[in-house]
This record gives sequence, structure tokens and C-alpha cells, in this order.
Amino acid sequence: KNEVEQSPQNLTAQEGEFITINCSYSVGISALHWLQQHPGGGIVSLFMLSSGKKKHGRLIATINIQEKHSSLHITASHPRDSAVYICAVRSDTDKLIFGTGTRLQVFP
Amino acid sequence: KAGVTQTPRYLIKTRGQQVTLSCSPISGHRSVSWYQQTPGQGLQFLFEYFSETQRNKGNFPGRFSGRQFSNSRSEMNVSTLELGDSALYLCASSLGPPKSYTFGSGTRLTVV
Repeated sequence: KNEVEQSPQNLTAQEGEFITINCSYSVGISALHWLQQHPGGGIVSLFMLSSGKKKHGRLIATINIQEKHSSLHITASHPRDSAVYICAVRSDTDKLIFGTGTRLQVFP
Repeated sequence: KAGVTQTPRYLIKTRGQQVTLSCSPISGHRSVSWYQQTPGQGLQFLFEYFSETQRNKGNFPGRFSGRQFSNSRSEMNVSTLELGDSALYLCASSLGPPKSYTFGSGTRLTVV
């Protein structure tokens, strides 16, 4: 079993829809990162969380340390949000462990 | 403000050769980390350097090595290349762990 699990693996949405991507982990962590990767490979760091909730524009990230779970929400989705979203955790042993990613496609 | 610069962008090497990839971090960032991305294994952590010291290493064979210089620039080296080393190699820099990362565009290595 992977130490970091993401769901769903693939997600298709219509423009304007509210989107949720989930990340569950089984190790102790010091931080959790949400990353966005567009076709061509470039990766952008969206959020780094160790507790609570963060918001940036239409993106919201939450983390529940007790349940070992994080969610990334996109409000009013847009075709430019189409990308692979990757959850990564920094474990208590200082290792970086990545989820397999969620491929999001938003259609106009 | 310049971003993280990785060179070269593309590289084709023959099995058995060695390769060196370079990463120049954002000015002021002292931490550089390296990752391998393949379609089969996804993103995997290679190693992380902070102030010229390797802080952490992923589960890769000894053929993969790296170093960081006093100006925070980093290089990674892969010796005795295998076909399975074909991948996108990404580096990221930060002020220091566990701060947020800025990623480079990557070096796409093809081993033939």
C-alpha cells in the first residue's frame, strides 16, 4: 500500500464546477504540499500545510492531522485549471513522499 | 527575480555512459532537492542538500549522486546509465526545509 494515496486518479469537470481532490497518508508528517503540474512538466507549488486551512484565489487546501487527510478544493473551475495535482508529504523521518497524482480536465 | 534554472533541458545518452545535470536555485535559497519523474513510478525523491550538506536521500542506487556548491548551485550525477534512468529530472529550491519549494522546468534524459 502506498504511503500517500490520492483520489480520484482522474477527474473530468465542466467549467464552473466545484472540485475536490483528496489525499490520505499513513505516516507521521511535518508538512504536506499540494503541487500542480501542467503538460510539459513544469511544477508549481500551490500550498504547504501543517495544520488547518489555506486559501489562494479559487484554491482552498485543508488538512486534518488526526485523520491523516488533506483536501484540495477548486471553486468555479476553469479550463486553465486542467493539470495534474500532486500531494506530497514530508515525513517525520524527513523523507519526501509523493502521491501518484490526480489528472483534472475541465471542459468549457 | 530569476527562477530555478536547470541545464540542459534535454539530453540523450547511451547506456553505460554517465551524465551530470545542473541546477541553479533562486538567489538566497540554500536548499536544493532533486526528483525523478517517470510514467511508471511517478515522482520520486532523490536527495536534498542544504548549505552544501546532504540532508536526506531517497531509495536510489549509489549510481545516483549529487553535490551542492558554496553558491548553492547543485549538480547531480548518474553513472553507468541504464535504459530505466530515462526520466524527467526536476530540482527545486527553497529557503530551507520545510519551506515551500520552487521547481525548475526539468531536464528530460533519454537513455538509448
